[in-house]
Amino acid sequence: AIRMTQSPSSLSASTGDRVTITCRASQGISSYLAWYQQKPGKAPKLLIYAASTLQSGVPSRFSGSGSGTDFTLTISCLQSEDFATYYCQQYYSYLRTFGQGTKVEIK
Amino acid sequence: EVQLVESGGGLVQPGGSLRLSCAASGFTFSSYEMNWVRQAPGKGLEWVSYISSSGSTIYYADSVKGRFTISRDNAKNSLYLQMNSLRAEDTAVYYCAREYDSSGYPLGPFDYWGQGTLVTVSS
Repeated sequence: AIRMTQSPSSLSASTGDRVTITCRASQGISSYLAWYQQKPGKAPKLLIYAASTLQSGVPSRFSGSGSGTDFTLTISCLQSEDFATYYCQQYYSYLRTFGQGTKVEIK
Repeated sequence: EVQLVESGGGLVQPGGSLRLSCAASGFTFSSYEMNWVRQAPGKGLEWVSYISSSGSTIYYADSVKGRFTISRDNAKNSLYLQMNSLRAEDTAVYYCAREYDSSGYPLGPFDYWGQGTLVTVSS
């Protein structure tokens, strides 16, 4: 199975900060990469797919980039509602895999 | 409005069985691939299983292969997960998730998720 590695595992940031999370695939996955946001006790929410396409209704402060094996999720100006855990997921293979998650906490 | 509602979770002893259901509404269920994803307490997301829109193509994570069976009934707009030989490490919230049909590629991200149902495997 394709292994997805996120970094960092957690980070502390303040409202208004620019935040970047990286995701690396163990083999090339073209642009078949999605990002999800999950808040405690809630189901994950799709933010970005195809590495850089914003899902409908997602604020434009979220952006994604990358292809092949290296990807990034950027939050340009962190808002209070953005404190959550973020996961990357590859859908290049039928055996889908998620990264281990990055928890964004309030500094 | 798209809705996915899981049910069937609960407490089961190791070695036991459980059948989860996911009732879908608000979209043409028979046109979408579906998946099960689980999340152990305090842990990350783990994909469990995939089923194509017709039910003809199925995949499982290695951790559940041979023990879990995914199925669907398009006439009832329902997705199922039969879980046998349950282990303590299967304890998790189980989510059903719809696969988004993105730009011609056979696979897609998960655009709608249910609220989850908790399965606890313990004696």
